[in-house]
Amino acid sequence: DGGITQSPKYLFRKEGQNVTLSCEQNLNHDAMYWYRQDPGQGLRLIYYSQIVNDFQKGDIAEGYSVSREKKESFPLTVTSAQKNPTAFYLCASSQHSGSGANVLTFGAGSRLTVL
Amino acid sequence: QKEVEQNSGPLSVPEGAIASLNCTYSDRGSQSFFWYRQYSGKSPELIMFIYSNGDKEDGRFTAQLNKASQYVSLLIRDSQPSDSATYLCAVNHKAAGNKLTFGGGTRVLVKP
Repeated sequence: DGGITQSPKYLFRKEGQNVTLSCEQNLNHDAMYWYRQDPGQGLRLIYYSQIVNDFQKGDIAEGYSVSREKKESFPLTVTSAQKNPTAFYLCASSQHSGSGANVLTFGAGSRLTVL
Repeated sequence: QKEVEQNSGPLSVPEGAIASLNCTYSDRGSQSFFWYRQYSGKSPELIMFIYSNGDKEDGRFTAQLNKASQYVSLLIRDSQPSDSATYLCAVNHKAAGNKLTFGGGTRVLVKP
């Protein structure tokens, strides 16, 4: 079955450490996204990529980095510069529908906790 | 002013009743509008999207769009306890890189 796989599902980090969250999709989608969700809040866009080897900052990119070397993969690194990284991280991908609507499909998410 | 606004709730609805959720947006250039459902601790799932003024129905769900007033709503008919979740409104603006901007979500509680 096609889908988006995020790993790890749960991750604990000590302050000052960088961590990388994996996101892999086999939907053959061109665009991929990383969102952050804090408790009781909506999703905020961190980074997105519409094609391989190209990506753009979202609304809250500071303290994060990404790469898009393959169409299927869009890993997110949470660096030590991110001051409040404890959150639920969601990866998504999209392929435009025939109507032009950008329908996102989400992975199961990765929950990062800083100790 | 937030770009996409929703009442955080909780919206308490008796089983079998209609739940009505509203979402307003600030960018008049917005083109497509999405409703996602998110259960606690899970990722969002698409319910439906709409891009033309008027109503769009899918099973027990109806999305309503009014671009002149800049709001989109979701009606859930015959609400079931399994509809208890947070409902996220999202807006797409093609000129802004086609990314989706999400509201904060409305929590719905359907009581048996």
